[in-house]
Amino acid sequence: DTGVSQDPRHKITKRGQNVTFRCDPISEHNRLYWYRQTLGQGPEFLTYFQNEAQLEKSRLLSDRFSAERPKGSFSTLEIQRTEQGDSAMYLCASSLGRGGDGHDTFGSGTRLTVV
Amino acid sequence: GESVGLHLPTLSVQEGDNSIINCAYSNSASDYFIWYKQESGKGPQFIIDIRSNMDKRQGQRVTVLLNKTVKHLSLQIAATQPGDSAVYFCAENSARMDSSYKLIFGSGTRLLVRP
Repeated sequence: DTGVSQDPRHKITKRGQNVTFRCDPISEHNRLYWYRQTLGQGPEFLTYFQNEAQLEKSRLLSDRFSAERPKGSFSTLEIQRTEQGDSAMYLCASSLGRGGDGHDTFGSGTRLTVV
Repeated sequence: GESVGLHLPTLSVQEGDNSIINCAYSNSASDYFIWYKQESGKGPQFIIDIRSNMDKRQGQRVTVLLNKTVKHLSLQIAATQPGDSAVYFCAENSARMDSSYKLIFGSGTRLLVRP
């Protein structure tokens, strides 16, 4: 499988707990994005990596959220002290950016439910 | 702020008919547009893209039309099949305005194919 992989597919957690999601992009893709999607809405941008550098973060990404891409390959998204409002689908996408050419390939997402 | 939106939230078509899904965008600086298909429980799947220097692009059973004068984008699906039932999103970005090339999504149109 050469697509974008996300793990886990589903996560149910109690409010206040920390969660971490993993994304494995397509191997040659240097750009990696995290998006959040709530029911009936389009994905919303959270953060962007080019190789290992986190170059942009959305205002949606509160200080409880942190993302890393330590070796420029896989990425993790951690949410600390989860709140019910964090319940959403978290999508990872990757692309081989060449001046904006090339579409983003999305993973199947991690669905987070905070109870 | 700038946004991408859709005219129709739900479109119901007869199997075999052609479908047209519309999208209006507001950022005149956007120069790259993508249509994604999302089935329940899955991540967005790339369908077709178009750059602002084109007004039409065709794929297999799908055509994207871009009208920059009125900032309108449409996706045409020929001979719609039951497997086309999904939510369709248009997305945009601007290489000139945004070095991250992050996508801005609309809220989606649900396509229902009647047998």
